[in-house]
Amino acid sequence: GNSVTQMEGPVTLSEEAFLTINCTYTATGYPSLFWYVQYPGEGLQLLLKATKADDKGSNKGFEATYRKETTSFHLEKGSVQVSDSAVYFCALFVSNMLTFGGGTRLMVKP
Amino acid sequence: DTGVSQDPRHKITKRGQNVTFRCDPISEHNRLYWYRQTLGQGPEFLTYFQNEAQLEKSRLLSDRFSAERPKGSFSTLEIQRTEQGDSAMYLCASSSGLAGPPDTQYFGPGTRLTVL
Repeated sequence: GNSVTQMEGPVTLSEEAFLTINCTYTATGYPSLFWYVQYPGEGLQLLLKATKADDKGSNKGFEATYRKETTSFHLEKGSVQVSDSAVYFCALFVSNMLTFGGGTRLMVKP
Repeated sequence: DTGVSQDPRHKITKRGQNVTFRCDPISEHNRLYWYRQTLGQGPEFLTYFQNEAQLEKSRLLSDRFSAERPKGSFSTLEIQRTEQGDSAMYLCASSSGLAGPPDTQYFGPGTRLTVL
């Protein structure tokens, strides 16, 4: 079956620190990969996506590269801000559905 | 574009009662999805519509759950004989279907169900 595993949180960083949130997946077929973000009190929003191997998705300073050989899609940002505090979900899309990981809470302190 | 809307935002019910939730997708989006999210977990897929046709249904969806999208616009999700284990956030998402999969799914704010 399809599954997504992401690092457990919470991840606590100081402002301007480097962020990595690990995500690995298992899938049948050729999935597309996504990162969604959920800010406090808000709904899920697409952060970035990649549709095939070696594609890099990027948005708002966040990046993730689709690595087929390691079945990974790690999220990175060079300098986090307090406003990045949220829960981040890695997900794969195959067979007309999204399969999500458990989410990683990021807390950024000033 | 007013986004995906869901109604109600919160529902408290007693065990054994039936509940119905409504989702209004983004106008002209022909794909509609329902997910369920429990506290501290990621959303789990429940079902998928393309226009009015229900094309996918998760094995997680027991016979007490039914979803419809009668005119290919809004959708309803009904839970019969609710159980405490049904307490969760129910999320609706829609996508245009124009770009081919995997076009972006836009999520609504969710309906939080509490079963007492």
